[in-house]
This record gives sequence, C-alpha cells and structure tokens, in this order.
Amino acid sequence: NAGVTQTPKFQVLKTGQSMTLQCAQDMNHEYMSWYRQDPGMGLRLIHYSVGAGITDQGEVPNGYNVSRSTTEDFPLRLLSAAPSQTSVYFCASSYGDDTDTQYFGPGTRLTVL
Amino acid sequence: GDSVTQMEGPVTLSEEAFLTINCTYTATGYPSLFWYVQYPGEGLQLLLKATKADDKGSNKGFEATYRKETTSFHLEKGSVQVSDSAVYFCALSEGILTGGGNKLTFGTGTQLKVEL
Repeated sequence: NAGVTQTPKFQVLKTGQSMTLQCAQDMNHEYMSWYRQDPGMGLRLIHYSVGAGITDQGEVPNGYNVSRSTTEDFPLRLLSAAPSQTSVYFCASSYGDDTDTQYFGPGTRLTVL
Repeated sequence: GDSVTQMEGPVTLSEEAFLTINCTYTATGYPSLFWYVQYPGEGLQLLLKATKADDKGSNKGFEATYRKETTSFHLEKGSVQVSDSAVYFCALSEGILTGGGNKLTFGTGTQLKVEL
C-alpha cells in the first residue's frame, strides 16, 4: 500500500491564483481530513469527509473548498489564494473502527506571495 | 472548547539522556489521548495512545500515562537516541464529528533534538 499520498510537495502561488491540492489513499478508509500546520499553532482542521459524497467544515474552512466523489480521493481547492494561506497542508485518513488513529500524508508546503 | 497545551521547544538532549515532554489538556468529557511524531520532511504518525484514565500507552521505548486527576499525558523515554529527533505532538479526541468520526485537537508541537 502507498498509504496517503499528496501532490505537489511544494507550490508557490501569487495572490489571487487558484489551485488544487491532491490527496489520495489506497486503504479504503471512510474518513478523510485536511489540516494546515502553522508555526506555534499545531494542526488545525480545515474540512473533513466521512464518506464519498459527504463533506463538512472544520475549524478553519474559509477560503477552501473540498469534494469527495470517490472513497480514494479528497482534493482541497483554493479558489483565490491569499498570503494568509501560506502553510503546510496535511491530508489524513482513518477508518470506522478506529477513527482516532489518523494516517497522514507527507504534506504540501504552499507559499502565497 | 477542548484544548491541549504542551511545553515549548526546542528540547535539546544528549544521546542516552532521559526525556520528558509535558502535556496537559482541557476537556469537558473523557477524551482519548495521543502522542503523534513528525520526523523531518514527513507527515505525522501515531506514536502511542491511551483511551481511559490510568491507561499507559507505550511504543518504541516511549511511554505516557493518562492522568485524569492532573489532566496530563506526559511523554517519557528513558534513553533517547539521535534517531528520536523529531517534533512531538500531543492530541486529544473530542468526540463525534457530524456524520461520524472523531476530531483530533493537537497541541503546538515540541521539537526534540538529540545530539551525540
């Protein structure tokens, strides 16, 4: 199993540009989440999904959209990037009997100029 | 809301030294508690967990005991190695998200540097 994969590893955007961060998992996990990691703030939940076709907001959802058309994929879209979205983004997945144990991808480091 | 507080880093130790990273939490219910570790350039991975009071989680020589009376979950290791250099995150599970699943609340992370 590849586990949780994320692309790209690094990205630089200009303010106002849009992009999609990709996340895929091959473990057939129902639950998938997106976090951002900022210095001194730990990880904060952006959006999550409890299954294909179902998504919901976390604690910092503004400026981000998600969709979950398949169990495997959970892309995160930035419609109009802002410097405040400069961060490291992590995707994670977990399964029904043990949703506390989350499996993280390697992260995407995003810089918005 | 629920929160996790952990000691500021970086923590710098010599190889074979004893490690303690403090973690305290605030929660309205009875959360499960976790330590996650992030090695350089990688995502987080679960190190250990405890699901109820007085439980001890352990893995790779690391231990932490769920202390309800002091709302703490301190991470310890008797003899650290250079390969333990990483960022350690304490976390709690808050309960059910809309539609199912649990939400993890993370502390800010503590960087550990182990030198020869």
